[in-house]
Amino acid sequence: AQTVTQSQPEMSVQEAETVTLSCTYDTSESDYYLFWYKQPPSRQMILVIRQEAYKQQNATENRFSVNFQKAAKSFSLKISDSQLGDAAMYFCAYNRYNNDMRFGAGTRLTVKP
Amino acid sequence: EADIYQTPRYLVIGTGKKITLECSQTMGHDKMYWYQQDPGMELHLIHYSYGVNSTEKGDLSSESTVSRIRTEHFPLTLESARPSHTSQYLCASSRDSNYGYTFGSGTRLTVV
Repeated sequence: AQTVTQSQPEMSVQEAETVTLSCTYDTSESDYYLFWYKQPPSRQMILVIRQEAYKQQNATENRFSVNFQKAAKSFSLKISDSQLGDAAMYFCAYNRYNNDMRFGAGTRLTVKP
Repeated sequence: EADIYQTPRYLVIGTGKKITLECSQTMGHDKMYWYQQDPGMELHLIHYSYGVNSTEKGDLSSESTVSRIRTEHFPLTLESARPSHTSQYLCASSRDSNYGYTFGSGTRLTVV
C-alpha cells in the first residue's frame, strides 16, 4: 500500500522568511501524482500545488514551489516570503493514476509576525 | 467560491439521535468522498462513490452509511449517534483524481 509520511508535525516561520515542509512517500509505481493541500483553521481545504511524477521540472505556483526527488521519493513544499495568511495545516497527498488519494498526517505551520 | 456544499457547518446532537450530513456539488463530478478528521489531525477515508448507485467503504471502519441516488448528492447518515462519533466530516469530489479533489467546508459534529 502506498503511504505518505510528513515527519514535521509542527513548523514555524517568521513573516517574510522561507520555510520548507517535508514529505516522503512509498510506492512501486512510476506514474502518479503528488499534491500539497492547505487547510486554514475552520476553513475549507484547498489545493496549493500539484506535481506529475513523469515531469522532472518542479511545479511552482507564485510563492509556493516544490522540490520533487523521484528517486528519493521526496516531495517538499517551499513557501517563500511567508505571510500571516499562510498559517494552516498542510497535507501532502499521493494519487496513483485515477485511484484514491492518500494523505499524510499533516504539518501545522505557524507564521510569526 | 466553493462548488461543493456541506450542511450543517456545526451540529451538536444528543446520543442515540439519527443524523444526516449533507454534501452536494454542482460540478458534475462522478467521484465523491467522505473523510473523518479530528481537528488538526490526519484525514481518514470512510466512504467513497464512483457514480450513481455506487458506494464503497473506505479504510477507516465507520458506523455511518452513505447513498448516491443523484450525481450531485452524497449524504452521510448515522442511525444512532454516539460520543465517539464526535469529529469533523469532510466531503470531497473529483472528476479526475489526477487533478486533485475539491473539498467542502466540513461539518463539525459533537455528540453529547
